[in-house]
Amino acid sequence: AQSVSQHNHHVILSEAASLELGCNYSYGGTVNLFWYVQYPGQHLQLLLKYFSGDPLVKGIKGFEAEFIKSKFSFNLRKPSVQWSDTAEYFCAVTNYGGSQGNLIFGKGTKLSVKP
Amino acid sequence: GAGVSQSPRYKVAKRGQDVALRCDPISGHVSLFWYQQALGQGPEFLTYFQNEAQLDKSGLPSDRFFAERPEGSVSTLKIQRTQQEDSAVYLCASSSRSRDRLNTEAFFGQGTRLTVV
Repeated sequence: AQSVSQHNHHVILSEAASLELGCNYSYGGTVNLFWYVQYPGQHLQLLLKYFSGDPLVKGIKGFEAEFIKSKFSFNLRKPSVQWSDTAEYFCAVTNYGGSQGNLIFGKGTKLSVKP
Repeated sequence: GAGVSQSPRYKVAKRGQDVALRCDPISGHVSLFWYQQALGQGPEFLTYFQNEAQLDKSGLPSDRFFAERPEGSVSTLKIQRTQQEDSAVYLCASSSRSRDRLNTEAFFGQGTRLTVV
């Protein structure tokens, strides 16, 4: 069965520090990859997505992610975090061409940014 | 509406009570998904509708869970005889994904937090 692993449960950074959150998935076929963010008290919002093409994907709020097929990875990065980036981040994968298109999520990484 | 709307936002149920959770997807979205998010975990897939057809219910944890989308728009997730382990946030998502349009994203509602006491 497909699975998604997020390596860090809780990351604490100071403002302006660089961020990298790890994500690995298990499916060997073509995949669509996503990073969602959940700010405190809010719903899940899409940060960025990869369907095909350039493996370096740029999303909202200065976030980017790189799809490395050989490593089954889709790590999220941001050069300089802000206090407002405090949130929980979820990596997700869906089976390309699957009739359901349902998402399989990782357990999430809580990011706390100290001002 | 502009986004996916879920109601109620919070529900406290006594063990053994039946509950019904509502989801209003984005207008025109063909696909609708229900997820369960336990505390400290990522969302886990429950069931999927394409229009009014429930195409996948493999994630429903037991036969106490039932979902419907009779007119291909609003969906209801029903849990019968609730138990404490049902306590979680129930998320609804919709997308315009179809067999002819695969590369789409899902939009999530704010969820219903169910607490069974």
